[in-house]
Amino acid sequence: QITLKESGPTLVKPTQTLTLTCTFSGFSLSTSGVGVGWIRQPPGKALEWLALIYWDDDKRYSPSLKSRLTITKDTSKNQVVLTMTNMDPVDTATYYCAHSTWIQLWDYWGQGTLVTVSS
Amino acid sequence: DIQLTQSPSFLSASVGDRVTITCRASQGISSYLAWYQQKPGKAPKLLIYAASTLQSGVPSRFSGSGSGTEFTLTISSLQPEDFATYYCQQLNSYSTFGGGTKVEIK
Repeated sequence: QITLKESGPTLVKPTQTLTLTCTFSGFSLSTSGVGVGWIRQPPGKALEWLALIYWDDDKRYSPSLKSRLTITKDTSKNQVVLTMTNMDPVDTATYYCAHSTWIQLWDYWGQGTLVTVSS
Repeated sequence: DIQLTQSPSFLSASVGDRVTITCRASQGISSYLAWYQQKPGKAPKLLIYAASTLQSGVPSRFSGSGSGTEFTLTISSLQPEDFATYYCQQLNSYSTFGGGTKVEIK
């Protein structure tokens, strides 16, 4: 059974760096073809893909946010970490991590974590 | 960037209705399109991938079609549990989602 769970701060101040951790079980991020990504959703708005890391450490980023994002993995801990710099109130959103075995097709999702950016 | 435009953005329908949602891509994406269903407060759920392949466990009343720039999601007979917001996603170049279609009870 594949599960993913996001963790991190619920409130960050403008200009701070956000660090989110996705802890997963039921699969290995060293298995060929597997990826873990991050998708966010501002309140009442649509989904936005942020970043993806593959089993071979290949990393992909949203072109519009690439300069602010870093994604890493710790295969031994079954974790993927996303950092986003220079947070702004417009970054207030629910942040999801998700599992993929084909390009960026998200077949399993975490429950999401709401991050609010406010001073 | 490839943009996805969903229509309508909102629709009101009754149980048993046939519902069709359209997703148009700003450039050709072959069949690299998926559909998700999202209920309030929940994570999205994968329904269809490769434009027309039903994800395991998804009821057969859901179907997808299209290729290139125009795609449709059809629910053949709307059930109470289908009232939700639906998103298309392109996987051809990076990844983008459509703006969503909210299906509400008439």
